[in-house]
Amino acid sequence: GAGVSQSPRYKVTKRGQDVALRCDPISGHVSLYWYRQALGQGPEFLTYFNYEAQQDKSGLPNDRFSAERPEGSISTLTIQRTEQRDSAMYRCASSFMSNDEQFFGPGTRLTVL
Amino acid sequence: AQSVAQPEDQVNVAEGNPLTVKCTYSVSGNPYLFWYVQYPNRGLQFLLKYITGDNLVKGSYGFEAEFNKSQTSFHLKKPSALVSDSALYFCAVRGLGGKLIFGQGTELSVKP
Repeated sequence: GAGVSQSPRYKVTKRGQDVALRCDPISGHVSLYWYRQALGQGPEFLTYFNYEAQQDKSGLPNDRFSAERPEGSISTLTIQRTEQRDSAMYRCASSFMSNDEQFFGPGTRLTVL
Repeated sequence: AQSVAQPEDQVNVAEGNPLTVKCTYSVSGNPYLFWYVQYPNRGLQFLLKYITGDNLVKGSYGFEAEFNKSQTSFHLKKPSALVSDSALYFCAVRGLGGKLIFGQGTELSVKP
């Protein structure tokens, strides 16, 4: 498909488990962004990449959260030792360059029990 | 620090009437402003953006937005609302590196 894809769409896990969320951006898009959206709120920035380089990770809440984009295409957001407060919708977006409009994927709904 | 505010949690409009969804911003320097729409169980969809130039920006699905520098506003408008416009609308401002800083969203409900 031509759009941003994310997998899984839904993830239910138990507290303390690690989870990996995947984002496949639009082909050729240089910039990739991760956001987290709590219910009833706007998305909040987590981190972003240009190509494979992580440019800004200031939005990651703590060191349990990490992200990578090793080949400048697919990105993985990993949450270690999940906690209930990590439950949210995690959204990925890509753009051709960092100042262009961003195209969002459908999101991954994470529930930590 | 850059921020946007959407003062209305919900806007109710009758089909066929004009609609306005409000957004105000606070930035240092020139603002780059965006509107996105979120339908249930779907991702955010880009509607329009203001970078520079004409203060009236036209976007997808008949929406437009008016940039007002003196009032630091970027209100979303449509001359005639459709029931299918019912959704959650987000205003955003571009921060460093292109990251988007979103408002809390406004739920638009258009009744037949």
